[in-house]
Amino acid sequence: DSGVTQTPKHLITATGQRVTLRCSPRSGDLSVYWYQQSLDQGLQFLIQYYNGEERAKGNILERFSAQQFPDLHSELNLSSLELGDSALYFCASSGTRGGRTDTQYFGPGTRLTVL
Amino acid sequence: TQLLEQSPQFLSIQEGENLTVYCNSSSVFSSLQWYRQEPGEGPVLLVTVVTGGEVKKLKRLTFQFGDARKDSSLHITAAQPGDTGLYLCAGVAGTYKYIFGTGTRLKVLA
Repeated sequence: DSGVTQTPKHLITATGQRVTLRCSPRSGDLSVYWYQQSLDQGLQFLIQYYNGEERAKGNILERFSAQQFPDLHSELNLSSLELGDSALYFCASSGTRGGRTDTQYFGPGTRLTVL
Repeated sequence: TQLLEQSPQFLSIQEGENLTVYCNSSSVFSSLQWYRQEPGEGPVLLVTVVTGGEVKKLKRLTFQFGDARKDSSLHITAAQPGDTGLYLCAGVAGTYKYIFGTGTRLKVLA
């Protein structure tokens, strides 16, 4: 158990809909990262927040947005969903701002299926 | 676009055999990490290598960072069924972006 929790574990929805994925980092961790893992694209870095502020951005679509709240939990919002958005979405946390020796602890993931 | 190519993509070996997984890029990374992911779980960090040419050992696993910090390898000696999983390398780019490799799916047969 990494100490990172993600809800829900599974989510099934239809194209065009909007969903919110939630992540609670390990106790004391200030950084939260979001990743998308699909069979054809592998694990893709989406975005990082540190203590409530956006710190780094990866391949995040404009239809996706995220935020980190004062209690440090984070939410990833996915809108106008398409079939290709079906994937595993992971949240990770770390105790630092990030960087070359950062240790990220991954949650169990949310499996999103768009029908 | 920074890419990390891993080879082989799939590997099925017998218990006791040795294997090497490669992670290659045309880009320079400030560090490189290796993770193992098991079905239904998130990746778990195995090691971070920072200096070009650095070698780190974790029991039967040996990790090496290329001299130019563009590539890395993972060598497993005397593989065991417990080593089965998806192995991912991840390069840390200058602006704290994490570029993950394409993955190597390893199956060790008893």
